[in-house]
Amino acid sequence: AQKVTQAQTEISVVEKEDVTLDCVYETRDTTYYLFWYKQPPSGELVFLIRRNSFDEQNEISGRYSWNFQKSTSSFNFTITASQVVDSAVYFCALSEVQGAQKLVFGQGTRLTINP
Amino acid sequence: GAGVSQSPRYKVAKRGQDVALRCDPISGHVSLFWYQQALGQGPEFLTYFQNEAQLDKSGLPSDRFFAERPEGSVSTLKIQRTQQEDSAVYLCASSWRGNEKLFFGSGTQLSVL
Repeated sequence: AQKVTQAQTEISVVEKEDVTLDCVYETRDTTYYLFWYKQPPSGELVFLIRRNSFDEQNEISGRYSWNFQKSTSSFNFTITASQVVDSAVYFCALSEVQGAQKLVFGQGTRLTINP
Repeated sequence: GAGVSQSPRYKVAKRGQDVALRCDPISGHVSLFWYQQALGQGPEFLTYFQNEAQLDKSGLPSDRFFAERPEGSVSTLKIQRTQQEDSAVYLCASSWRGNEKLFFGSGTQLSVL
């Protein structure tokens, strides 16, 4: 069965600090997708990234970067120079490649950026 | 529309009542998903549609839960004889295909008293 673990329930940092959100996953599939979503107080989940299990290259998008390490089954997310607007709950998720491609989410990490 | 629209935003039901939750996906999106999110938890998959076909309903918790998408656009999630454990936020998401980039609605917060 697929499982996603986000061990950090809550993180609080001061603005401009860098922060890393951890994500560890379990799956028996050899191919799969990994995701990060942001959930602001308004409630809708906002897509950040989807990564295919074949692609282990790290990715950077502005202040966001993702470190995918298949050897440790981790897909960590780093925000550089954090801003107050980054405050939200962040979810890591995993899905199969075939079928419905339903997402299996972690429990989420509540990130608070203090001014 | 510009995004995925869900209604109502909030619903309070007495235990035993039936409720219907509506989802208007982005126009043209083929795939539609329903997820249930309990307080402080990550969303959990309920069911998946490709156009009007319900291809996966493995996440529906009981036969009290029923979803439909008769014309391949608007979808309704119906819960019969609601119970307290049904209290959660119900999220709808749509995409052009699969989970390539899912667009989520703001959800319907259901409270069963």
